Amino acid sequence: DIQMTQSPSSLSASVGDRVTIVCRASQNINNFLNWYQQKPGKGPELLIFAATTLQTGVPSRFSGSGSGTDFTLTISPLQPDDFATYYCQQSFTSSYSFGQGTTLQI
Amino acid sequence: VQVVKSGGGETQPGGSLRLSCEGSGFSLSRYWMYWVRQAPGQGLVWVARINSDGSSTGYADNVKGRFTISRDNANNALYLQMNSLSAEDTAFYYCVRYRLLGELFPALDRWGQGIRVTVSS
Repeated sequence: DIQMTQSPSSLSASVGDRVTIVCRASQNINNFLNWYQQKPGKGPELLIFAATTLQTGVPSRFSGSGSGTDFTLTISPLQPDDFATYYCQQSFTSSYSFGQGTTLQI
Repeated sequence: VQVVKSGGGETQPGGSLRLSCEGSGFSLSRYWMYWVRQAPGQGLVWVARINSDGSSTGYADNVKGRFTISRDNANNALYLQMNSLSAEDTAFYYCVRYRLLGELFPALDRWGQGIRVTVSS
């Protein structure tokens, strides 16, 4: 199975900051990488698919990059609504494994 | 466009529960569907999936033989029958829509709010 590792596991930032979350795959997944945002008490929401493509309705302050094994999610500038937990997920194999999550705190 | 959930609750080890969800604002019958769970303080793991007409299913190894995913497309509904439950099955369970975006890239693009399942003696 493909293992997905996110760093950091938690991150403190302020409104207006630029933050970057890293996701690494245990093997090459090309650009089959999704990012999700989860707020307390709610199901995750898809932000980015194919490593770089914003899902419809997602603000342009979110961006994704990377291919192969190393990926990043960048948020700039941070807005109050962005404080949440973020997960990466590989979609290269049908195990569709997730990273362990990164919690973005004020 | 939402996924609306029902079912869940608390049961003892060895017990059973049935989860249900329905598509609100979309025809669930057009899509593969997944159940994904999240144990307290833990990450996300898919446990079961079903194709659009219900002819093909798949399960995570740790629920195989205990959980059964099914669907009723006429009623726009998805189900997860969970038997022989143990404490390790305690989690929030999400009913999730699967799509191929950009005609090539699999993603879980619509999630329900989550159904709480607690297995405790």
